[in-house]
Amino acid sequence: GDSVTQMEGPVTLSEEAFLTINCTYTATGYPSLFWYVQYPGEGLQLLLKATKADDKGSNKGFEATYRKETTSFHLEKGSVQVSDSAVYFCALSNGNKLVFGAGTILRVKS
Amino acid sequence: KAGVTQTPRYLIKTRGQQVTLSCSPISGHRSVSWYQQTPGQGLQFLFEYFSETQRNKGNFPGRFSGRQFSNSRSEMNVSTLELGDSALYLCASSLYQGNTEAFFGQGTRLTVV
Repeated sequence: GDSVTQMEGPVTLSEEAFLTINCTYTATGYPSLFWYVQYPGEGLQLLLKATKADDKGSNKGFEATYRKETTSFHLEKGSVQVSDSAVYFCALSNGNKLVFGAGTILRVKS
Repeated sequence: KAGVTQTPRYLIKTRGQQVTLSCSPISGHRSVSWYQQTPGQGLQFLFEYFSETQRNKGNFPGRFSGRQFSNSRSEMNVSTLELGDSALYLCASSLYQGNTEAFFGQGTRLTVV
């Protein structure tokens, strides 16, 4: 079945550092790919998405590119802030449900 | 426009009881999906409703059920609660069937004691 694998955390960075959170997937066909963010005590917020190969999703300084050849959708941000501290989930949808990775905790220190 | 609204935010129930959770999707959205989030299992799909019909179901026992009303609001019911049902239950709203782009509510935190 479809699955998503994320790098384990927690990831701890200093403010203004570069962020990469790795995400790879296994799926049949051509899934849509997503990054969601969850702040403490909250639900999930859609951060960005990509629906086909080579698409780049971007939002609030975060970017991810749909790489079909490597089945990856790595999340990047050039300069993180303390307010980016949260749990980040990579997910795919093949048109029937969302399949999530385990989540990566990001901690940003000032 | 208003986001996805889930009520209540917190619930404490006793083993063996049943519980009903409610979700109001974004206005105009016709698909509502439910997910269970636990530290051990992560985020798992429960079911999706679209136009008042269950369209897809995850691997959960029959104690978990749901329904959708004509105004797209959805309820989820869990009967004969077990300790392992303690979780954050998240509702996701989509314009179309299939979770192609889903927007989540804040969730209902259910604790079974």
